[in-house]
Amino acid sequence: NAGVTQTPKFRILKIGQSMTLQCTQDMNHNYMYWYRQDPGMGLKLIYYSVGAGITDKGEVPNGYNVSRSTTEDFPLRLELAAPSQTSVYFCASSYGQPTTNEKLFFGSGTQLSVL
Amino acid sequence: LAKTTQPISMDSYEGQEVNITCSHNNIATNDYITWYQQFPSQGPRFIIQGYKTKVTNEVASLFIPADRKSSTLSLPRVSLSDTAVYYCLVGDKAAGNKLTFGGGTRVLVKP
Repeated sequence: NAGVTQTPKFRILKIGQSMTLQCTQDMNHNYMYWYRQDPGMGLKLIYYSVGAGITDKGEVPNGYNVSRSTTEDFPLRLELAAPSQTSVYFCASSYGQPTTNEKLFFGSGTQLSVL
Repeated sequence: LAKTTQPISMDSYEGQEVNITCSHNNIATNDYITWYQQFPSQGPRFIIQGYKTKVTNEVASLFIPADRKSSTLSLPRVSLSDTAVYYCLVGDKAAGNKLTFGGGTRVLVKP
């Protein structure tokens, strides 16, 4: 199993450009999450999904959009990139609710710089 | 309002035991306590999970008192490779599925 796969690993954007960060999992997980992590800081929840067709906002959703058309994929869209979105983005998934006896599996991250 | 409180950082030396305590006063009745480890430039990874009393695996032990308002992650005989950030994760009835992490504890193991 590949687990949680994120692409690309690195990306540099110019201010105002848009891009999609890809996240796919092959574990048939229902729950998927997007986090961002600024240098030296903790994880901030951007968006999450509890199943195909269901998404909801996290702590810091402004400037981002998501969709969940399939169980496997949970792409994160940046429409108008801003320097404040420079960060490392992590996608995570779990079969059930992670606060029960489940565990989160994380991808290796996408390092994004907006210049 | 933070759901969990952990020390910001801890220093240790190789071969010592490291204990990190997390406070979670509002833990929901059915929630488990899960700890994750994050190395620089990597995503967090699961290390241990428990509901009550004590849990031990090949990496760590987790101690949970009867009131479950706190938990302590114990790393026995740490090595340099245990230098990482450790996050305690519990649920929040008010937040539902909105799974947020606290700031974590940065552990530095010195030679």
